[in-house]
Amino acid sequence: AQSVTQLDSQVPVFEEAPVELRCNYSSSVSVYLFWYVQYPNQGLQLLLKYLSGSTLVKGINGFEAEFNKSQTSFHLRKPSVHISDTAEYFCAAGGTSYGKLTFGQGTILTVHP
Amino acid sequence: GAGVSQTPSNKVTEKGKYVELRCDPISGHTALYWYRQSLGQGPEFLIYFQGTGAADDSGLPNDRFFAVRPEGSVSTLKIQRTERGDSAVYLCASSREGVGAETQYFGPGTRLLVL
Repeated sequence: AQSVTQLDSQVPVFEEAPVELRCNYSSSVSVYLFWYVQYPNQGLQLLLKYLSGSTLVKGINGFEAEFNKSQTSFHLRKPSVHISDTAEYFCAAGGTSYGKLTFGQGTILTVHP
Repeated sequence: GAGVSQTPSNKVTEKGKYVELRCDPISGHTALYWYRQSLGQGPEFLIYFQGTGAADDSGLPNDRFFAVRPEGSVSTLKIQRTERGDSAVYLCASSREGVGAETQYFGPGTRLLVL
């Protein structure tokens, strides 16, 4: 069985500061890893995904994540955040056979001016 | 092109009533997923359709929940004898083929409130 843990429920940060949202997963089999963002009153939108290969994955809006197999982590980073990045972010793990996703609890990122 | 749509966007019902939630996936997508998102939680998997058949319904919480996709496109999630604990946002997602590497495209959700 898979499980995903997001270590911070809320992350406040000032505009133009760097941010890291932490995610750990556990699985007995190979998984694919995803980060989704949910803006207020909108559906979940894919930021990036790790399937295989390079452990550093770049996504939309300047976000990137690093897959670390030994630490079973997939932390999301952005070097300089904007007010518009305020949203809830979800880390998710999926199996390789079909697309059932296991989500973390979510991290609310609030960017202050 | 059109994304995943869900209707209604909000549904208020009384305990014990029956409700139906509808999902229109992206045209041509054979895989369709339902998830439930309770307040303060991440989405939880309910059921996965590949075409018309439910390939994995292991996430349905009990036999009051049922979902269909009779023509392999639109899906309906049905909840009988609703309980206050069923209050949540019900999310639908679709993907092209249903393989694990694919991106799932989510609808805006139906917010269900059971009084």
